[in-house]
This record gives sequence, C-alpha cells and structure tokens, in this order.
Amino acid sequence: EAGVAQSPRYKIIEKRQSVAFWCNPISGHATLYWYQQILGQGPKLLIQFQNNGVVDDSQLPKDRFSAERLKGVDSTLKIQPAKLEDSAVYLCASSQPGTMNTGELFFGEGSRLTVL
Amino acid sequence: SQQGEEDPQALSIQEGENATMNCSYKTSINNLQWYRQNSGRGLVHLILIRSNEREKHSGRLRVTLDTSKKSSSLLITASRAADTASYFCATVSRGSRLTFGEGTQLTVNP
Repeated sequence: EAGVAQSPRYKIIEKRQSVAFWCNPISGHATLYWYQQILGQGPKLLIQFQNNGVVDDSQLPKDRFSAERLKGVDSTLKIQPAKLEDSAVYLCASSQPGTMNTGELFFGEGSRLTVL
Repeated sequence: SQQGEEDPQALSIQEGENATMNCSYKTSINNLQWYRQNSGRGLVHLILIRSNEREKHSGRLRVTLDTSKKSSSLLITASRAADTASYFCATVSRGSRLTFGEGTQLTVNP
C-alpha cells in the first residue's frame, strides 16, 4: 500500500513570496489533515478535511493560508504572502474512514519550508 | 494550546537499557496515542490506548494510562540505537481534534 505522498520535500523562499504544498493521501482515506511543525515543537493542526469538506480550520491563519481538497482526494496548502515565522515542516496525514479523530494517522514525510 | 506534555524533554541512555517517557494531559480523553518521528521524517504511529484501558503492549513497547492522574507512560525495553527519535503523545477528547504534545527526544547510545 502506497503511503501519503507530499511534494516538494524542501522549499526556500523570500518573505512575502507565495508557496504551495501538495499532498496525496492513502487511497480510500476520507480524512486528510495538514499540520505545521515548527522546529523543536509538536505538530499543530492547521486544517482537517472529511472528503472535500472542511471539518476544522480553527487554527489556520486565514489571512495568509488557504487549503483545498476539491475532488476529495489530493489537497493543496498555500501560503501567500509568507512570513519568517512560517518556516516549519508542513505535514500531511490521512486516516481511514470511520476513524476520524479516533484512530491512527498516517503521515507523509513532510515539506520543509524556509522563509528568508 | 497543546493538550499533552511529555516529560522529560530529552533522554539519553545506553543501548540495552529501558527508556520511559511520560505524558500528562488536561482534559478527559477518548484515547491517547504515541507516535515516533525520526529526524527529518514524518510521524509513525506506535500504539493507541483507549480511555477504558490501563495497559497495552506491542513488541518492546508498553503503554500505561492512568485517567485519574491524567497521565500516560511509554516504556521501550531493551533499547537499540535505531530507537533514537522524538516521541510524541497525542490525545483525542470528545468532539475535539487529535492534539500533540511537544515531544521527548530520545537518544540511544551504542
């Protein structure tokens, strides 16, 4: 079974530029999560999708971050404009149907963003 | 804010020794999960313990849960250099998202 795919693995941009990250979850996983992990900290949930609907985006800085999962499969997370404090690893995760918030999450390798 | 808090923040042991990490949380939970993260990689699920369970084993891992003290511990027996990683607890409360702690950095010296 293929795991959660993320790209790019690394991205370096200047502040005020924009960046986009892509995630393809495990086939059949209805729930998709985007986490932000700042160096030395635990992951913090940015947004959670159930199929193509948003379940929780309460911690997403909506003035600069956006995410979509139009067809209920892969997802894109965008940051525009980026700030220095956005430097972090952006982790995508998915979970099996019926286990939203109760079962294990399967994580991708993450996309490391450096904002200069 | 983070629900779980791991203790210690960092732990360094010799190969073959046991490693114990603790997690405390604030509100009632449905379940508690432990994840491992190798440097520069994603998180990998290790074990899930439900609120009505007190102890669970998986290979060299032993997890305990004390809901009265709102705490959990992860024990890794006979540690190996390959166990070097960050370990995170994550809690799920009723109607709430899975929330991760800040992690314990474990170093196992060969």
